[in-house]
Amino acid sequence: DAKTTQPNSMESNEEEPVHLPCNHSTISGTDYIHWYRQLPSQGPEYVIHGLTSNVNNRMASLAIAEDRKSSTLILHRATLRDAAVYYCILRGAGGTSYGKLTFGQGTILTVHP
Amino acid sequence: GAGVSQSPSNKVTEKGKDVELRCDPISGHTALYWYRQSLGQGLEFLIYFQGNSAPDKSGLPSDRFSAERTGGSVSTLTIQRTQQEDSAVYLCASSLGIMSSGSGYNEQFFGPGTRLTVL
Repeated sequence: DAKTTQPNSMESNEEEPVHLPCNHSTISGTDYIHWYRQLPSQGPEYVIHGLTSNVNNRMASLAIAEDRKSSTLILHRATLRDAAVYYCILRGAGGTSYGKLTFGQGTILTVHP
Repeated sequence: GAGVSQSPSNKVTEKGKDVELRCDPISGHTALYWYRQSLGQGLEFLIYFQGNSAPDKSGLPSDRFSAERTGGSVSTLTIQRTQQEDSAVYLCASSLGIMSSGSGYNEQFFGPGTRLTVL
């Protein structure tokens, strides 16, 4: 599986935007970029995914670089409930391994009141 | 609606004993996944099912681990002759299916996990 690189931790203040970066220089043309987050003592939660174009949903926005070697998860207004570990994951689009998600260490986001 | 449920929520067992962990996926979800998260570690993929078949078992750590799914619904993860290194939170997830497109198929819904402690 292609690997992703994320900062170990980031901090933000409440009500401010947060930009969480992810590098994936070995991404293949058919790999989807997924973001999940894990709140303390809970299972992971889907945030957003994309292939080539930027994506928006009610939780966040995903900005994908033109060469697809990096992406950024954008939380427009951080709240205390957004404090979590954020995982950037590449998921292949074929083969028997299609279904699995390979989680890295993620970015620990701390939100200050 | 009901989410993914797992039972038991906590399991303490002695080294060498067998354990069974259960996962009830969201109704209508054809794909089911097992992961585990050891203390201080990231999530590790174990196995996934599409219907009752398991196309990818590559993540199972050893032959002491097995999983089955019957009726396209409930799944059981069995660990035989448990070892202390098996202690972890075992997470189950489900999704509508496995397809190359369609946002609904890409989202995996996770259960709360089963915390397994092997003494």
